[in-house]
Amino acid sequence: GESVGLHLPTLSVQEGDNSIINCAYSNSASDYFIWYKQESGKGPQFIIDIRSNMDKRQGQRVTVLLNKTVKHLSLQIAATQPGDSAVYFCAERQWDTGRRALTFGSGTRLQVQP
Amino acid sequence: NAGVTQTPKFRVLKTGQSMTLLCAQDMNHEYMYWYRQDPGMGLRLIHYSVGEGTTAKGEVPDGYNVSRLKKQNFLLGLESAAPSQTSVYFCASSGQGWEKLFFGSGTQLSVL
Repeated sequence: GESVGLHLPTLSVQEGDNSIINCAYSNSASDYFIWYKQESGKGPQFIIDIRSNMDKRQGQRVTVLLNKTVKHLSLQIAATQPGDSAVYFCAERQWDTGRRALTFGSGTRLQVQP
Repeated sequence: NAGVTQTPKFRVLKTGQSMTLLCAQDMNHEYMYWYRQDPGMGLRLIHYSVGEGTTAKGEVPDGYNVSRLKKQNFLLGLESAAPSQTSVYFCASSGQGWEKLFFGSGTQLSVL
């Protein structure tokens, strides 16, 4: 994801609508991607992951789509609820950095309006 | 099932003071990590460990030291705290393949 400094991009949706959160990655050597949800004052929580040999993976109310051609990842949340309000991070596993750790994007804030 | 536990949850230091953050995991994970999170930004890797007795530098290691004397514990030390180290610190652990990370609840550190 692109760094946006102090200002997180914000997505505002109405309760019950579907949400789509996007993430761009730059490393073509990345083979594994993961989405985390972080509520205020808490640590990031795992939502869903996907490997580079897949294009789509579904969970409960969430779907992750991977487009390796344009290096783009998206998280779709169906029937968004107030409890979905949080900051969402994508992360990737980059094999060519020499560091065995995930690299995180800067995050997107999701605000759900009742 | 505690998962990843960080202590303390909050700390205020004066410039030049030292302190140690403790991370403990009960999942028998090989990999452990320390990240810092600044307002409006993602998580930046400070140091990590791929097993007991090993440590490695991340993206922003300067001013920090770590130790992994026991598999379940990963300590983060600040030798001489600076205001630029004011941040929220997260510890995480993962199993083989360094995929799904489990995070602690964070430590809010303020350096005055």
